[in-house]
Amino acid sequence: AQRVTQPEKLLSVFKGAPVELKCNYSYSGSPELFWYVQYSRQRLQLLLRHISRESIKGFTADLNKGETSFHLKKPFAQEEDSAMYYCALRGDSNYQLIWGAGTKLIIKP
Amino acid sequence: DAGVIQSPRHEVTEMGQEVTLRCKPISGHDYLFWYRQTMMRGLELLIYFNNNVPIDDSGMPEDRFSAKMPNASFSTLKIQPSEPRDSAVYFCASSFRGSGNTIYFGEGSWLTVV
Repeated sequence: AQRVTQPEKLLSVFKGAPVELKCNYSYSGSPELFWYVQYSRQRLQLLLRHISRESIKGFTADLNKGETSFHLKKPFAQEEDSAMYYCALRGDSNYQLIWGAGTKLIIKP
Repeated sequence: DAGVIQSPRHEVTEMGQEVTLRCKPISGHDYLFWYRQTMMRGLELLIYFNNNVPIDDSGMPEDRFSAKMPNASFSTLKIQPSEPRDSAVYFCASSFRGSGNTIYFGEGSWLTVV
């Protein structure tokens, strides 16, 4: 079964500290993984996807097929990073994303 | 393009009333999704359309919920009758298969049923 697990509902770190938002997935084929972000009372928007291998707002995520993980990382957190982060996986049989439960990231000053 | 447009942005209604949420997807997109977001359940896919045809409505909670897409530029999500437990943020989103699967969300409709 396809599943995305974000084990932390809430993550709180101090400004300037490293951040790692965990995402693990269960999938039998070649996955496409995404991170979406939702700032307070705003729309969800794509942050990054693994096929792009890019860094957005200082965030990176590497797909680890051995550990079936796609953790989101940033070396130095900023207060504006406070938001809700969703990890998602694209299924291959139908065109929809499988979503994790989301992690609320709070950056303390 | 102005992005995915939803209306109303906020609605407060009494239990038992009919609620209609509206969505205008991004022009040219061939997929449209309705999501519900709550603190307890997170983000749930309710239904999605491809080329105006409903493909998967297994996420629709019960018969009180219905969704239509009469044309490529408009969709509605209707709740009749509404109940307090329907209070949530309802997001509409659209995508074009050729865009690398990026889904573009609207700003959401904040529904409160009292």
